[in-house]
Amino acid sequence: EDQVTQSPEALRLQEGESSSLNCSYTVSGLRGLFWYRQDPGKGPEFLFTLYSAGEEKEKERLKATLTKKESFLHITAPKPEDSATYLCAVEGAAGNKLTFGGGTRVLVKP
Amino acid sequence: GAVVSQHPSRVICKSGTSVKIECRSLDFQATTMFWYRQFPKQSLMLMATSNEGSKATYEQGVEKDKFLINHASLTLSTLTVTSAHPEDSSFYICSARDSQPGGGTEAFFGQGTRLTVV
Repeated sequence: EDQVTQSPEALRLQEGESSSLNCSYTVSGLRGLFWYRQDPGKGPEFLFTLYSAGEEKEKERLKATLTKKESFLHITAPKPEDSATYLCAVEGAAGNKLTFGGGTRVLVKP
Repeated sequence: GAVVSQHPSRVICKSGTSVKIECRSLDFQATTMFWYRQFPKQSLMLMATSNEGSKATYEQGVEKDKFLINHASLTLSTLTVTSAHPEDSSFYICSARDSQPGGGTEAFFGQGTRLTVV
């Protein structure tokens, strides 16, 4: 059974204070690791897909990296508008469904 | 990115009534759609996988007679909560993937539906 654990559960940052979120996973045959952002009362918004260890992707202040056991989402010089819950999910070899972690709630204070 | 539209965004219903939630992929076709439930400050829990033209696949512990899923076309799936009770109150979210060749692997999510049963 695929498993995803995210840490920390919550993160309070000052504006400009860079940090990293962790997503540890166990999966039988990784087909993809996905990062989403979710604002309160909304559906998740797609950020990145990573497929293999060593892969990195960037979008504005966010950078996602992947190893064989975990993924990191780095937030560089965050702004208050980066406040959200960040969700990590994996798709295993069984295919066609995502297993989500518990999410990390990020609050960036001005 | 691709757009998934979910309707309604909020609904309040009386206990014992049924509620239908629609999920549409607006600019792509999806042979498979997914229905999730999310409790406050918790992550998404997959309820069922909706397959176009065939029966849905339900996750363990999800009552298929209570949560009826219909996927009648490549762009529309519906979730009907039958005989709703207060414990069914939750945030329901659908997602879909582009099933066309070259459509990518990412899943796109609807805006979610806040169901309150009184």
